Amino acid sequence: DTEVTQTPKHLVMGMTNKKSLKCEQHMGHRAMYWYKQKAKKPPELMFVYSYEKLSINESVPSRFSPECPNSSLLNLHLHALQPEDSALYLCASSQILNPASDAFFGQGTRLTVV
Amino acid sequence: GNSVTQMEGPVTLSEEAFLTINCTYTATGYPSLFWYVQYPGEGLQLLLKATKADDKGSNKGFEATYRKETTSFHLEKGSVQVSDSAVYFCALSTTSGTYKYIFGTGTRLKVLA
Repeated sequence: DTEVTQTPKHLVMGMTNKKSLKCEQHMGHRAMYWYKQKAKKPPELMFVYSYEKLSINESVPSRFSPECPNSSLLNLHLHALQPEDSALYLCASSQILNPASDAFFGQGTRLTVV
Repeated sequence: GNSVTQMEGPVTLSEEAFLTINCTYTATGYPSLFWYVQYPGEGLQLLLKATKADDKGSNKGFEATYRKETTSFHLEKGSVQVSDSAVYFCALSTTSGTYKYIFGTGTRLKVLA
């Protein structure tokens, strides 16, 4: 199994809603990532978890709250988002946090904030 | 700082044409280099990688060689197919302790039958 599974695939939420994005992998990877990708732009790193601990936070606004409940799961909790937060949110994982480790990406969650 | 520069697209080719997508990088230390491909509406898939100078990564007919002297990692394919139409991202993984993946802006490839 070399898949990173993200749910839901599409999400529309209002600015006052609270929602969560979910990411799951069963490859035994110990590093997991959240990226944000706007249309026709490259992915931008948001958060990195290594061995279930937050390793990198790229100065992401607090309306985005990551959580890594175990080594297979990564969540992104969303609250009070703005329309400009509409984007494709990509989860990725790699064996460990190492420059030579391949990152496997999920299909993404396309988020629209209305 | 660390950065990746890719040639601007879109690149439009006829089927069976030769493909080159240029990628140069700036990095401290010795990064690993990657090419990822993104098909419409999907996530990114790793296409190939190289972890040290003069390494050649290859997969599905695509190749790229890690050239330290020119800080380049150009993607090539001898004969493209319509199914290769996608956006291609060059990326590096830093060795400075934070181990981030840094992506170029992407190059859209369109292959015509």
